[in-house]
Amino acid sequence: EVQLLESGGGLVQPGGSLRLSCAASGFSFSSYAMSWVRQAPGKGLEWVSGISRSAGSTYYADSVKGRFTISRDNSKTTLYLQTNSLRVEDTAVYYCAKDGMDVWGQGTTVTVSS
Amino acid sequence: AIHMTQSPSSLSASVGDRVTITCRASQDIRNDLGWCQQKPGKAPKLLIYAASSLQSGVPSRFSGSGSGTDFTLTISSLQPEDFATYYCLQDYNYPLTFGGGTKVEIK
Repeated sequence: EVQLLESGGGLVQPGGSLRLSCAASGFSFSSYAMSWVRQAPGKGLEWVSGISRSAGSTYYADSVKGRFTISRDNSKTTLYLQTNSLRVEDTAVYYCAKDGMDVWGQGTTVTVSS
Repeated sequence: AIHMTQSPSSLSASVGDRVTITCRASQDIRNDLGWCQQKPGKAPKLLIYAASSLQSGVPSRFSGSGSGTDFTLTISSLQPEDFATYYCLQDYNYPLTFGGGTKVEIK
């Protein structure tokens, strides 16, 4: 079964950091680009970051550029999102998604609050 | 960044109705557009890719059309399980961008 499973979310104070993980299974992880997408409470979907198959290229939304870092370990079939300097407005459910958006994880919740 | 304008933002419809949602890109994106459905508390689900290709397992009452800057998602006969929020997404280039969403509610 093709599956993505996120973890690493939680409650953090403004200025803090979290590392999100997305474990992939059931498909050839190294053959696909991957993305992170988030959804703030009651809001729409926002693409956050993407990474190429070999991790040679990374991409970011302006809202997170310089604060978030996407990476992947193809040997562990895992995608990561290092989130630093977190702001209240980063509060959201964070999803990982396979290239083409045909496979999504169930999401992990990040809450930034003092 | 490419801006995606989706309309309407919400609509009320009855079971059996034909529903049309539109998405306009701020520049030519060829056919690099997808449509996703999201139900409350759930992850999005891909319905249509490459503007008009039906994702495997998606009912044939869903269809997509368009190219360039103007795109349409049509539900030919709305079913109870179709009440949800729908988003378009351009994957022509990075940063990828979503439309603002269309909430389909029961009339």
